[in-house]
Amino acid sequence: GNSVTQMEGPVTLSEEAFLTINCTYTATGYPSLFWYVQYPGEGLQLLLKATKADDKGSNKGFEATYRKETTSFHLEKGSVQVSDSAVYFCALRRPGAGSYQLTFGKGTKLSVIP
Amino acid sequence: GAVVSQHPSRVICKSGTSVKIECRSLDFQATTMFWYRQFPKKSLMLMATSNEGSKATYEQGVEKDKFLINHASLTLSTLTVTSAHPEDSSFYICSASPKHGTVNSPLHFGNGTRLTVT
Repeated sequence: GNSVTQMEGPVTLSEEAFLTINCTYTATGYPSLFWYVQYPGEGLQLLLKATKADDKGSNKGFEATYRKETTSFHLEKGSVQVSDSAVYFCALRRPGAGSYQLTFGKGTKLSVIP
Repeated sequence: GAVVSQHPSRVICKSGTSVKIECRSLDFQATTMFWYRQFPKKSLMLMATSNEGSKATYEQGVEKDKFLINHASLTLSTLTVTSAHPEDSSFYICSASPKHGTVNSPLHFGNGTRLTVT
């Protein structure tokens, strides 16, 4: 079956530090990959996505590259801000799944301190 | 961009009562809506998938008689927690898939509902 594995948190960084949140997946075929962000007390917002191998998704300074060979989609940001404090979810959707259902990782909580 | 409105954002109810949560797609038609439950420090647990005009498909272990889902139109789905108990207290989030979306289209999420049962 499909699964997503994220690095366990919480992750605490100082402002302007480099961020990496690892994400690996297991799926048949070529899934689409997503990163969602959840700010405290809110729902999920799409951060970025990639739909095929070697695609790079980017948004708000965050990047993730779809690596088929390592089945990974690690999230990176060169310089984090306090406002980036949130929970980050890696997710996949398998082609032909029919219902467009997402499979989520367990989430990684990021705290950025001034 | 696509907006999903979820209401209420917070609700407190007494044990034994029922609570209805609404999920509306404001600027697009949603053929499929999903209901998730989020436990503290845990990921999202998919509860059910609802398709407009048909019965919802529930995930294993989710009581369909307790969590009633109705998807009467392409812009509205409701989740009713019946005879709520304190263990039903949680954060419930809906999401919607656009009618003309593809597998590459992201889901759009509501802001969630914090349910507290006393």
